[in-house]
Amino acid sequence: DAGVTQSPTHLIKTRGQQVTLRCSPKSGHDTVSWYQQALGQGPQFIFQYYEEEERQRGNFPDRFSGHQFPNYSSELNVNALLLGDSALYLCASSLLTFSGNTIYFGEGSWLTVV
Amino acid sequence: AQRVTQPEKLLSVFKGAPVELKCNYSYSGSPELFWYVQYSRQRLQLLLRHISRESIKGFTADLNKGETSFHLKKPFAQEEDSAMYYCALARDDKIIFGKGTRLHILP
Repeated sequence: DAGVTQSPTHLIKTRGQQVTLRCSPKSGHDTVSWYQQALGQGPQFIFQYYEEEERQRGNFPDRFSGHQFPNYSSELNVNALLLGDSALYLCASSLLTFSGNTIYFGEGSWLTVV
Repeated sequence: AQRVTQPEKLLSVFKGAPVELKCNYSYSGSPELFWYVQYSRQRLQLLLRHISRESIKGFTADLNKGETSFHLKKPFAQEEDSAMYYCALARDDKIIFGKGTRLHILP
């Protein structure tokens, strides 16, 4: 079992561009959550997907959007990139009604906006 | 609003000395609290959760509802304990993290 896998691991984008990050959840998990971890900060919840719908959302602008596919994999899209979007983006997978010990994190995608 | 506070950004401790990483939380209900650890170049992983009350790698944490604290402790620090430690609170199937404390074990 590969656990949670994310791609790409690193990428550099220019202000104003758009980016798509991908996540494959751990086998058997049906819920994917995305977190943003800025330098020197703890991860912050962006949104969560279950049954291909956004189930809940953190305090992030509409420039951040996502999608979940029938195989439970997910994408995070960010439009009109700002310098402040530079961060590590973490994907976490779980069962919908998780307990803390059933949530698994991927290694993350490092996004640098220049 | 729910919040997790880790007052120390960096904690340096000599090898063999006791370790205490502080965590305070604000939450109106019954909290479910965790400690996550991130070793250099590795993914975030669960260290322990207060419900299980187990000791992982010699670390323990006791929930003190009166002081709204969940401090992480270890009696004797080891060099391999050097890492980022995040205190976290679960609410509505999402996790709220503190800003983290970098633990640096001195030889």
